[in-house]
Amino acid sequence: AQKITQTQPGMFVQEKEAVTLDCTYDTSDQSYGLFWYKQPSSGEMIFLIYQGSYDEQNATEGRYSLNFQKARKSANLVISASQLGDSAMYFCAIISYNTDKLIFGTGTRLQVFP
Amino acid sequence: EAEVAQSPRYKITEKSQAVAFWCDPISGHATLYWYRQILGQGPELLVQFQDESVVDDSQLPKDRFSAERLKGVDSTLKIQPAELGDSAMYLCASSPGLAGGLTGELFFGEGSRLTVL
Repeated sequence: AQKITQTQPGMFVQEKEAVTLDCTYDTSDQSYGLFWYKQPSSGEMIFLIYQGSYDEQNATEGRYSLNFQKARKSANLVISASQLGDSAMYFCAIISYNTDKLIFGTGTRLQVFP
Repeated sequence: EAEVAQSPRYKITEKSQAVAFWCDPISGHATLYWYRQILGQGPELLVQFQDESVVDDSQLPKDRFSAERLKGVDSTLKIQPAELGDSAMYLCASSPGLAGGLTGELFFGEGSRLTVL
C-alpha cells in the first residue's frame, strides 16, 4: 500500500524568498517514483519535478528542487525565488514501479505575497 | 507538444441524469488513469487502465460509475445517475506504462469540471 502525507494545509511566502513544502510517504514497494504537481485555480495539474527511488542525486528543474531523504521517507519540494505566479495548490504523489499506481497527498496551498 | 485531451471542459447537469467524460491520452501511452477531485481535496484514483484492461478500480463506485477503454486508446467515464456529491473535477492522465514510473513521464489533461444541481 502507498500513502502520501502533506502536513501543511497552507503556506505563505514573500516574493523572491525560498519556501519548502513538506511531503512524507509510506510504501511497501522497493522501487517507486515521487512527483510534485502544481494546480492553479483553473484546475489543470502541472508537472513540476520527478525523483526515482534509485536516483542518488536530488532532482532539480529550474527553480524547483526535490529534497529526497529516502531513509526518512521524505520528498520535500523547495521553490527558490518565489514569484506571485507560484500561488497555487501543490500536490505530492507517489507511483509504484510494480503497478504504475499513482497516489496523491491532500495538498498544500501556497500563497506568495509581494 | 503532445497533450492529454479531455472533454467536455465543463458540464452542468441535474441529479439523476447521465453524464459522460472523454479522454484521449498521449499517443502510445499504455496506462490511463481517471481521478476524481472534490474541491479542496487531493485527486482520488477511480480507475487505472493498462491498454484496454482495468488494473485497478477499487475506488470506483460501480453502482453508478463505469469506465471503458475499448481499443486501448481513448477512454470514457460515465456516471448514471448523477448525484449531488459527484460534483467535482474529473482528471485524466496517461503514461507509457511501467516506463512512466521509471522516467516520470506522466501527464494530465485539463480536466472536466462537473456540477450536479
